[in-house]
Amino acid sequence: EAGVAQSPRYKIIEKRQSVAFWCNPISGHATLYWYQQILGQGPKLLIQFQNNGVVDDSQLPKDRFSAERLKGVDSTLKIQPAKLEDSAVYLCASTPSGTGHLYEQYFGPGTRLTVT
Amino acid sequence: AQSVSQHNHHVILSEAASLELGCNYSYGGTVNLFWYVQYPGQHLQLLLKYFSGDPLVKGIKGFEAEFIKSKFSFNLRKPSVQWSDTAEYFCAVNAGSGGYQKVTFGTGTKLQVIP
Repeated sequence: EAGVAQSPRYKIIEKRQSVAFWCNPISGHATLYWYQQILGQGPKLLIQFQNNGVVDDSQLPKDRFSAERLKGVDSTLKIQPAKLEDSAVYLCASTPSGTGHLYEQYFGPGTRLTVT
Repeated sequence: AQSVSQHNHHVILSEAASLELGCNYSYGGTVNLFWYVQYPGQHLQLLLKYFSGDPLVKGIKGFEAEFIKSKFSFNLRKPSVQWSDTAEYFCAVNAGSGGYQKVTFGTGTKLQVIP
């Protein structure tokens, strides 16, 4: 079974530039999560999708971050414009059911973003 | 709002030493608890989980954790660590009400095992 795929693995941009990350969850997984992990901290949930609908985006900085999962499969997370404090690893995870609490999350390798 | 505390940020042990990593959460209702591990250069992966039943749960690679509801704790233990256990360990709690439950992660504990 293929794991959660993310690209790119690394990205360096200047502040005020835009960046997009892509995630392809495990086939058949209905729930998809995007996390931000700043160095020295645990993953912080940014947004959770169930199929192509948003379940929770309460911690997503909506003035600069956006995410979509149009066909209920892969997803993109965008930052526009980036700030220095956005430097972090962006993790994508998925679970097989809408009732995500019943299952552990499967994580991708992450995208390490550096904003200079 | 729920929160998770991991008090040990960095732990250094010699091989064969016993390990206990603390995890405390704040939420008054029903919770599901997890420990995830991230080995150097690898993805976050599940170590063990508690949903209900026996509060002592066993995971992969000889790890276990005990859910103590009265103490809001879910400490991770291993009787004898190996060099290959060097990794970062994250405690997570899944809690909420109604049809939606939210996962919150702790800040992580870096474990370094010295041969």
